[in-house]
Amino acid sequence: KNQVEQSPQSLIILEGKNCTLQCNYTVSPFSNLRWYKQDTGRGPVSLTIMTFSENTKSNGRYTATLDADTKQSSLHITASQLSDSASYICVAANNAGNMLTFGGGTRLMVKP
Amino acid sequence: GAVVSQHPSRVICKSGTSVKIECRSLDFQATTMFWYRQFPKQSLMLMATSNEGSKATYEQGVEKDKFLINHASLTLSTLTVTSAHPEDSSFYICSASGTRSGTDTQYFGPGTRLTVL
Repeated sequence: KNQVEQSPQSLIILEGKNCTLQCNYTVSPFSNLRWYKQDTGRGPVSLTIMTFSENTKSNGRYTATLDADTKQSSLHITASQLSDSASYICVAANNAGNMLTFGGGTRLMVKP
Repeated sequence: GAVVSQHPSRVICKSGTSVKIECRSLDFQATTMFWYRQFPKQSLMLMATSNEGSKATYEQGVEKDKFLINHASLTLSTLTVTSAHPEDSSFYICSASGTRSGTDTQYFGPGTRLTVL
């Protein structure tokens, strides 16, 4: 059964601090791993997409890592801002990349 | 990235009525569109996958007669919630993939908040 598990479920940090979100996946055959940011009441917005051959990918203050051997990924947020408060969803794609398995998300709150 | 829109952004309806939600790909041709449902504090759950010009494929547990999906063109898919009940209240999100985005990327719409009274 394809599964994606994220931790922690929720996280509160102070503005300016860094944080790392974790994702473990069991998806076969694996195509790519994606991180999305979802603001409350909005659709998910893609942050990064990595195939099995990519170890790391950055998008501004967001850096994702992927270890295809251990089937783990992380999303590191540097110098957090209040606008980073959102849910971050890890998604593993299989087959041609169009079958997505969603993690439960990590709800991040950045406080001033 | 590619742009996907949804209309309306939020809708309130009475129990027993039908509601139609539109999903449009604005700058690419979407050969495949997906409909998701998201309950509060939960992740997205795939309801159905539709390919242009053919019948939608529904996930287990999703009633095809209740959630009617039409994907008549390469830029438009509609989801109609028939005889809506309060338990259908949810956040409905569509996504699209196609010729611009390639076959391995889904672009998500902004979502539609449905409240059934």
